[in-house]
This record gives sequence, structure tokens and C-alpha cells, in this order.
Amino acid sequence: RKEVEQDPGPFNVPEGATVAFNCTYSNSASQSFFWYRQDCRKEPKLLMSVYSSGNEDGRFTAQLNRASQYISLLIRDSKLSDSATYLCVVRILTGGGNKLTFGTGTQLKVEL
Amino acid sequence: EPEVTQTPSHQVTQMGQEVILRCVPISNHLYFYWYRQILGQKVEFLVSFYNNEISEKSEIFDDQFSVERPDGSNFTLKIRSTKLEDSAMYFCASSWDGNNVLTFGAGSRLTVL
Repeated sequence: RKEVEQDPGPFNVPEGATVAFNCTYSNSASQSFFWYRQDCRKEPKLLMSVYSSGNEDGRFTAQLNRASQYISLLIRDSKLSDSATYLCVVRILTGGGNKLTFGTGTQLKVEL
Repeated sequence: EPEVTQTPSHQVTQMGQEVILRCVPISNHLYFYWYRQILGQKVEFLVSFYNNEISEKSEIFDDQFSVERPDGSNFTLKIRSTKLEDSAMYFCASSWDGNNVLTFGAGSRLTVL
């Protein structure tokens, strides 16, 4: 089983649509959770951290279910500029600090 | 906003050659990392570095790879005797502490012919 699993997509949605991405992780020792955004051939950039109580940042809402080892990202009122690959990322704290495990990403294409 | 800078942005090399990728982390950060991403695949952890030594490495980071912080600003990844399968984007990252969010550089694309 993959450590972090995501539907690769692509998700093609019209501008203004609401879209949801899901992610599952296999290691129950995972302690921190994130959504990163990656544009084509660019570096990953942190979109938002994901907290157990769920959290929102503008049009973006993230949810975490530790019992099911499941993370989600909801994007409301999608914009053309939201087109990117969304990476589900988990962290297991070790002596080495920030070892992040990335999913393969879900590609989003927002169209006119 | 502080940045992690990487050079070169793209390097083409012949199989068997040695390559050094350079990174300048954010100045007050203490933890440094290398990740790589083969085209079309996921971002993979290679190594973390703290207090002038490797703190953790993945199974990918074998004897072919080494890291160094030769001075107070640079953090380098050396790949000896490159193979075709080393072709990838290599991302440097840094963080202030082991729990903090990573800042990634723009990456160095390595192409091995």
C-alpha cells in the first residue's frame, strides 16, 4: 500500500465550481498533515496545514480524519489560477526533523 | 520574502560524470533538506542535515550521494558517477527548526545523457 495515496485526476472543472480532493495515508504514526500546491515544473508550495478540527483559509477547507487516516481538501468558487497539482503531504517526526512524505498529486484544471 | 536559491537551474551531464548541485538556504534556518522528483512521479525525500551532519537519509541516498555545508551559506548535493535514472528535479529546502514548515527552492533539473 502506498504511504500517501491520491486520485491522480485530472479534475477538469468550470470556473466557479466546487471541487474536492481526497487522500489516504498508511502510517498511523503520521503527525502532521499538509496540502501543497505544485505548478508545472515548479517547486511545491505550502497551501495549508491540516488540523484535526478542520480548518479553512478563504476558499479552501481542509479536513482530517485520523481514525480513517483520511485527508480532504475542498476548493470553493474555483478560479483559473487554481489550476495546478495538489499534493497531499504527511510528516512523521523523527530525529531528522522534517521528513515529508508526498502523494503523487491530484491535477486540477479549471476551465472557462 | 526570504527565499531558498538553487544553482544551476538546469544541468546536463554525461553518464558517469560527477555533479554538484548548490543551494543557499534561508539565512536563519538550521535544518536543510534535499528532495528529488523524477518527471511524472512524486516528490521523494533524500536527506536531512542539521548541525553539520546528516540527521536522516532515505534508501535512495546511497554511497553515490553526499551532502556538505562547506561554508556558512551554501548547502551542496554531490552525485558521483551519475546514472540515467538520476535524471530528475532536485529540490533543496530549509526550515528554522525540525517542526517548522519547509521552504523549497525552485529546483535544479538534472538531465543525464
